[in-house]
Amino acid sequence: QKEVEQNSGPLSVPEGAIASLNCTYSDRVSQSFFWYRQYSGKSPELIMSIYSNGDKEDGRFTAQLNKASQYVSLLIRDSQPSDSATYLCAVKRFSGGYQKVTFGTGTKLQVIP
Amino acid sequence: DAGVTQSPTHLIKTRGQQVTLRCSPKSGHDTVSWYQQALGQGPQFIFQYYEEEERQRGNFPDRFSGHQFPNYSSELNVNALLLGDSALYLCASSLDRSAGGETQYFGPGTRLLVL
Repeated sequence: QKEVEQNSGPLSVPEGAIASLNCTYSDRVSQSFFWYRQYSGKSPELIMSIYSNGDKEDGRFTAQLNKASQYVSLLIRDSQPSDSATYLCAVKRFSGGYQKVTFGTGTKLQVIP
Repeated sequence: DAGVTQSPTHLIKTRGQQVTLRCSPKSGHDTVSWYQQALGQGPQFIFQYYEEEERQRGNFPDRFSGHQFPNYSSELNVNALLLGDSALYLCASSLDRSAGGETQYFGPGTRLLVL
């Protein structure tokens, strides 16, 4: 079982719709969760971080965390063509006093005009 | 406020050569992590530097080594390059956890092509 799993996609949604991206993780002691957006040929850009169960909203983005079920999701409302990118889920846990960050392989999102 | 910078942006090497990549962390950050991202994959953790020492390491061979300088900048060295080392190399900076830091911020990356 992979430490962090994402559906590679592509996930296609029409412009203006809600895009839902999901991520599951295997280590129950994981403590911090991050969503990064990566355009083709570019480096990852932080979108959201979430640390406790529930929802966290920032503009058109909402991150949802459910530690009991070990999943974290990202909702993008009113999707725009400029949202077309690969979305990386990252999970951080502290092991032996040090941080360990593990990334998923990413979900490719395509927003159709 | 300067973000994370990396140099060079692109590099072409041949098998067996050695390469050095450089990273300057975001202002105020003291921890540097290096990642390798192959095409279509997520970033894979190589190692992390804090207080000029390698604090932890991922599953990469000893051909991959690094250094952190007193000004927190860092280098990644790869010896005896293989074709499979072709990838985007990402540097991420953060503030040590003891100082309350949580989030990593990435530089633009160095794209390495090994022929």
